[in-house]
Amino acid sequence: GAVVSQHPSWVICKSGTSVKIECRSLDFQATTMFWYRQFPKQSLMLMATSNEGSKATYEQGVEKDKFLINHASLTLSTLTVTSAHPEDSSFYICSSLLGEGRNEQFFGPGTRLTVL
Amino acid sequence: AQSVTQLGSHVSVSEGALVLLRCNYSSSVPPYLFWYVQYPNQGLQLLLKYTSAATLVKGINGFEAEFKKSETSFHLTKPSAHMSDAAEYFCAVSEGDDKIIFGKGTRLHILP
Repeated sequence: GAVVSQHPSWVICKSGTSVKIECRSLDFQATTMFWYRQFPKQSLMLMATSNEGSKATYEQGVEKDKFLINHASLTLSTLTVTSAHPEDSSFYICSSLLGEGRNEQFFGPGTRLTVL
Repeated sequence: AQSVTQLGSHVSVSEGALVLLRCNYSSSVPPYLFWYVQYPNQGLQLLLKYTSAATLVKGINGFEAEFKKSETSFHLTKPSAHMSDAAEYFCAVSEGDDKIIFGKGTRLHILP
């Protein structure tokens, strides 16, 4: 199956700093990627849809100026958490959509962010 | 709007026993339905999906699920539980617009 990687797998940062998380589709091109956030022992909440070459579409309640998404190529999307605070600590998971209209999303292994 | 309800945040079964994880959905159009498994500190792995073909869907690791429109259900089953099945399981629904809405998850515990 298709492989999606995330980097870093975990990161610890100080409050007020910015953190960039990369999501790569390794063996296929993805015009659409998704970013999810998962709190401990909870479900995945869709944060935004990342479209190659255009602006991301954010879900209601997600601050687009705080969670910057860049989908600069067909294999890479980045999520930057700006001015991170302890409440931003979470597990962030990306997925890449294989094809169009097939609903075949492949998920990355996730990034554990801890803000001190 | 679509939604998913998973009954039971925790389910415990004995090794070798039947696994049954319940999922009910709500959708205004014929849905796509999914079951994913998540191991600790890992991403999600697709177990199986329903996309309006056969109502009984077979997935990986011996899991299967049956789509029942009349009951708006998509329960996940496995005849015989194995210790390696212990994980978090998520039911999810999509209305074909590529967005997937996840249920709250069910943690499956396997008792020796």
